[in-house]
Amino acid sequence: GAGVSQSPSNKVTEKGKDVELRCDPISGHTALYWYRQSLGQGLEFLIYFQGNSAPDKSGLPSDRFSAERTGGSVSTLTIQRTQQEDSAVYLCASSSSWGSGDQETQYFGPGTRLLVL
Amino acid sequence: QQQVKQSPQSLIVQKGGIPIINCAYENTAFDYFPWYQQFPGKGPALLIAIRPDVSEKKEGRFTISFNKSAKQFSLHIMDSQPGDSATYFCAANGGGSNYKLTFGKGTLLTVNP
Repeated sequence: GAGVSQSPSNKVTEKGKDVELRCDPISGHTALYWYRQSLGQGLEFLIYFQGNSAPDKSGLPSDRFSAERTGGSVSTLTIQRTQQEDSAVYLCASSSSWGSGDQETQYFGPGTRLLVL
Repeated sequence: QQQVKQSPQSLIVQKGGIPIINCAYENTAFDYFPWYQQFPGKGPALLIAIRPDVSEKKEGRFTISFNKSAKQFSLHIMDSQPGDSATYFCAANGGGSNYKLTFGKGTLLTVNP
């Protein structure tokens, strides 16, 4: 079946512009995560959605970052007034529901490579 | 605060060698420890995972060794192949209802033919 998809695959923007990154999780997966991967760094947790529960936003680095998940499926990560330090690969992952026996396995998309000039 | 420390940053071995990548964690609430493999331009993919109630887990050529008292775990790749050349990340989560992962900084493995 189809895996996690993300769009765009690459995004170049100018400092100060807003960007939107999209994630389509695996069909039926109730949990969705956003991570950021900077050069030479591991993956940094940003935000977590689980079903209809309030999202865990504890990893968002500033109030310029926000995310939403509509209809329990597609998610959009928005970065307002982009800065050069926002340049990174933004990865989305999804996992199946609690109690499924596989809820801890996160399946990652290919990422969106963001470059802020 | 880096909760999962991974070493080495890079590793070069010859085909057939056994690269070992080590991770140490601080948070004793962690109870799930996966390893991810990432090829250039791709997202990470789960390789193998372990829980602290076992000391070793094998899947094919990949083995995780886990030392709960030392709060350390490691990945061993038996009979390594050039196709294993990738970046490897260890990670951990704290269970409960939030499975967000805390990652190490990664190890770039090169397996020479």
